[in-house]
Parts: sequence; C-alpha cells; structure tokens
Amino acid sequence: NAGVTQTPKFQVLKTGQSMTLQCAQDMNHNSMYWYRQDPGMGLRLIYYSASEGTTDKGEVPNGYNVSRLNKREFSLRLESAAPSQTSVYFCASSPLPGHEQYFGPGTRLTVT
Amino acid sequence: SQQGEEDPQALSIQEGENATMNCSYKTSINNLQWYRQNSGRGLVHLILIRSNEREKHSGRLRVTLDTSKKSSSLLITASRAADTASYFCATDGNDYKLSFGAGTTVTVRA
Repeated sequence: NAGVTQTPKFQVLKTGQSMTLQCAQDMNHNSMYWYRQDPGMGLRLIYYSASEGTTDKGEVPNGYNVSRLNKREFSLRLESAAPSQTSVYFCASSPLPGHEQYFGPGTRLTVT
Repeated sequence: SQQGEEDPQALSIQEGENATMNCSYKTSINNLQWYRQNSGRGLVHLILIRSNEREKHSGRLRVTLDTSKKSSSLLITASRAADTASYFCATDGNDYKLSFGAGTTVTVRA
C-alpha cells in the first residue's frame, strides 16, 4: 500500500497563477484533510472532508478551494497564488474524524 | 489559532537518556494525539489518548494526560539517534478538527 500520496513534490508559482495539489489515499479512509506548515509553526488546517461528498473549512481557508473527487482523492486548488501561500502543504487521511491521521510526504510550494 | 503549546521548544540529549516534553491546551478535548516529524517528511502518528484516559504506553513511549491541568506529557525512554525529530501534540474538540502545537525539536547526540 502506498498510503497517502501527494503530487507534485515541489512547485514554484508566480503571483496570480493557479494550480491544483493532488492527494490520494489507498487505505479506504473516510476522512481527508489539507494542512499547511510554515517555519516554526505547527500545522494549520485549511479544509477537511469528513466523508465522501462533504467538505468544510478549517482554520485558514481563504484563498483555497477543495474538491473531494471520490473516496480516494481530495484536491486543493489555489485560484490566484499569493506570496503568503508559500508553505509546505500536507494532505492526511483518517478512518473516521477524531481517529489517528496518516500524512503524505508534502508539497513544497513557493510563490514569487 | 493553535490550541496546543509544546514545551520546551527544543531539547538536546545524549543517546540512551530519556526525553520529556509537555503539551498544554486551552479548551476541553475529546482526544490528544502525539505525532513525530523527521526533517523534510510528513508527520507520523505516535499515540492517541482519549480524554478519559490518564496514561498510555507504546514501546519506548509513555504519554500522560491530566485534563484538570489541561496538559499532557510525552516521555521517550532510552533515546536513539533515530528519535531525532520534531514532536507535535494535537488536540480535537467536539468538531474533531485537529489543532497542532508548534512542536518540540529533539536532537539525540551520539
């Protein structure tokens, strides 16, 4: 099993460009999450999906949109990238809300 | 805003010593979880302790939870070089959204 996979691993964008970060899990988990991690800080929740067909905002949703494409896949879209969105983005999944979460390797995004 | 706060921010110990780090939080919780992050990697789940539990063990890890003081501790016994990492506590409330602290960076010297 691959666990949680994320693409791409690295990305450089110019201000105003858009992009989609992809995440997939093969553990048949119901819940999926997107976090960002900035230097010296813990993870902050951007959006989450408690189950297929539902999405909800986390702590820092502004500037992002998500799609729970099916049970396996949860994508994060930046419509108009800003330098403040330079960060490392992690996708995670869990069997159910409140259970242990399994993380992907992260996407390192730089916006210039 | 971050719910949990780890203390200390950084810890350096000799191989074979024990490492203890603490987590304090502000509001009532359902569960408290500890995660490890090696440099440049994703987080790995270590232990989940429920609000009605006081202590939990997993291998060389021991976690305590004191809900009256809104605090938890993670003890790593007989540390190894491979334990060098950042350790995060995460709490969830009624909505089950996890809130992470800023982490404790542990360096184990050979």
